Amino acid sequence: AQTVTQSQPEMSVQEAETVTLSCTYDTSESDYYLFWYKQPPSRQMILVIRQEAYKQQNATENRFSVNFQKAAKSFSLKISDSQLGDAAMYFCAYRSRGNLIFGKGTKLSVKP
Amino acid sequence: GAVVSQHPSWVICKSGTSVKIECRSLDFQATTMFWYRQFPKQSLMLMATSNEGSKATYEQGVEKDKFLINHASLTLSTLTVTSAHPEDSSFYICSAGPPGGKPPQHFGDGTRLSIL
Repeated sequence: AQTVTQSQPEMSVQEAETVTLSCTYDTSESDYYLFWYKQPPSRQMILVIRQEAYKQQNATENRFSVNFQKAAKSFSLKISDSQLGDAAMYFCAYRSRGNLIFGKGTKLSVKP
Repeated sequence: GAVVSQHPSWVICKSGTSVKIECRSLDFQATTMFWYRQFPKQSLMLMATSNEGSKATYEQGVEKDKFLINHASLTLSTLTVTSAHPEDSSFYICSAGPPGGKPPQHFGDGTRLSIL
């Protein structure tokens, strides 16, 4: 069975600084997708970034980028120039054929 | 704008009543929708997969008679919590994706269910 592990329950970053959130996963499949979702206090699930496993190039979305290491089964999220609005729970998720499998989440605090 | 609409966003009701939550895909036809449950400060746990025109597939440990799922059309899935009790209080959230199973999945805004 696939599993997703986020080893950092909480992280903190100074405004305008850079922070990296860790995620590892376990799977025997070769074709899958990985995602980072943001959940602010409103509890909406907001897609931050996604990565197709067959693509070697790391995905980027403005201030958000990933470091995808397929062999190591690692999928970390880097947030550059952190903003107060980035404060939220961040969930790493894995998907192959159907539903998403989520990690336990990392609570990110941003200090002004 | 939102591509998945979930209603209601907040429900408070007495123990023993049944509560229906709707999940609609607005911009696409969704043959499959997913229902998740989230306890405070925890991750999302998949409850069931809703398939249009057929029975839902429930995850291990989820009572199918307690959580009734109906996916009667390509744009609507409903979750009914039957004879709700305080332990059913939680945050329920649905998701749906484009046809063919391609990502990404889009989430509804969730329903906060409080049983008194």
